[in-house]
Amino acid sequence: NAGVTQTPKFQVLKTGQSMTLQCAQDMNHNSMYWYRQDPGMGLRLIYYSASEGTTDKGEVPNGYNVSRLNKREFSLRLESAAPSQTSVYFCASSTGGAGQNIQYFGAGTRLSVL
Amino acid sequence: KQEVTQIPAALSVPEGENLVLNCSFTDSAIYNLQWFRQDPGKGLTSLLLIQSSQREQTSGRLNASLDKSSGRSTLYIAASQPGDSATYLCAVRPGYGGATNKLIFGTGTLLAVQP
Repeated sequence: NAGVTQTPKFQVLKTGQSMTLQCAQDMNHNSMYWYRQDPGMGLRLIYYSASEGTTDKGEVPNGYNVSRLNKREFSLRLESAAPSQTSVYFCASSTGGAGQNIQYFGAGTRLSVL
Repeated sequence: KQEVTQIPAALSVPEGENLVLNCSFTDSAIYNLQWFRQDPGKGLTSLLLIQSSQREQTSGRLNASLDKSSGRSTLYIAASQPGDSATYLCAVRPGYGGATNKLIFGTGTLLAVQP
C-alpha cells in the first residue's frame, strides 16, 4: 500500500545548488501534480502532468522544471535554488479525466535553502 | 480568478462538541469541492468530495454541504474526538478551461480538540 512515495523527506541546500525531488505512484494513475505549501498561503500548484508525456505549468512554475519520466514517476527539479524556494513540497496523483478524480498525496519533502 | 477562503484559521473545542468548519469560494463555476485532512508533518488525506450537482456528502461523523450559488461549503464534525485534531483544507476543482484537474486550495483551519 505504498501509494505516492516522495524522496527525499528532508533536504538542506545552499543558494545556487540544484536538486531533483522524486515522486513515484503505484496506483496506475494518469495524472500527477507538484505543489508547494507555505505558511498562510495554502497549497499552490507548481506543475502538473495530465497524462504520460505531457506537462503544464501551474500557478507558481518559475524556478522549477519537471519531467514525467514514465507513467509512475514525476520529478521536480530546482536548477538554482533560492531562499524563496524554502517550502514543503507535495506530490499527488489522480486517475485524471472526467469523474471524481480524487488526488492522493505523498508525505512531502521539507526543503530549506540557506 | 478563483479564490478559496477558510474561516476560522484556528479552532479549539472540548471533546464531544459538534463543530462546523467553513469554506467559501469566489467563482461558482466549480466541478467539485473536496475536503482534506492534514496531520502535522504529513501529506493530505481526502475526506469527502462533493460534485457540483450534489448538496451534501456524509462519511461517518463527517458531513459536508455545498451551496454553489452562494459560494460556500461547510464541514460538520459530530461528537469531536482528540483524534480529529488536524488541519482541514478545502479545495475546489474549477469548472472552466475544459477538463482541468487542477485544485485550488484554501489555507486551512487548524482544529484542536481538547480531551
